[in-house]
Amino acid sequence: QVQLQESGPGLVKPSETLSLTCTVSGDSITNRDTFFWSWIRQSPGKGLEWVANIYYTGTSYYNPSLKSRVTISVDTSKNQFSLTLTSVTATDTAVYFCATYSGSRRNFDYWGQGSLVTVSS
Amino acid sequence: QSALTQPPSASGSPGQSVTISCTGTNSDIGTYNYVSWYQQPPGKAPKLMIYEDRKRPSGVPDRFSGSKSGNTASLTVSGLQAEDEADYYCMSYADNNNLLFGGGTKLTVL
Repeated sequence: QVQLQESGPGLVKPSETLSLTCTVSGDSITNRDTFFWSWIRQSPGKGLEWVANIYYTGTSYYNPSLKSRVTISVDTSKNQFSLTLTSVTATDTAVYFCATYSGSRRNFDYWGQGSLVTVSS
Repeated sequence: QSALTQPPSASGSPGQSVTISCTGTNSDIGTYNYVSWYQQPPGKAPKLMIYEDRKRPSGVPDRFSGSKSGNTASLTVSGLQAEDEADYYCMSYADNNNLLFGGGTKLTVL
């Protein structure tokens, strides 16, 4: 079974760049031919918001509302994928989850435990 | 595109049934058969409960069922149990490879 673990700084200053990495274990990131690798976030006390998806070949899709500030990338040699979010503000404070997304069923299957990122000076 | 619309709360007594609605538009729920539902206990990651409108992943009790009519999808939990108390989120595939979540519904077992 695929397992996912987020890692990265828990505190980022306003206007700076948020960077997170998700390490995949239990399978190769290239083995799942219908899986995309995803980021979803959840602001404190609020609902879920899809951020971005990437296929191991590099094909990516972004939430239109975040597209101008977000980059998702994949490192197959490390079995990891990453998220960068530029020019952060307090509204970007959230728990960031990495997850798998089925391209055939259009749903999220496996989730990491989540990583809280706080934007504050 | 805006988030899908869910009621903020729902409740029922043990053994009863409760239905949570999720309303979208012709650009998402009304066009695509890709509504999924997620259960999120406090402080934990979401768990997939329903996919493709009405299908259950293995391991999910058959007390959970999904349905859809027009632009509205629904999740029904039958035979409520205390362990069902959690937040529930719907999600739909939408135009231009977008993915939309609902605002979430807090289910309370009385």
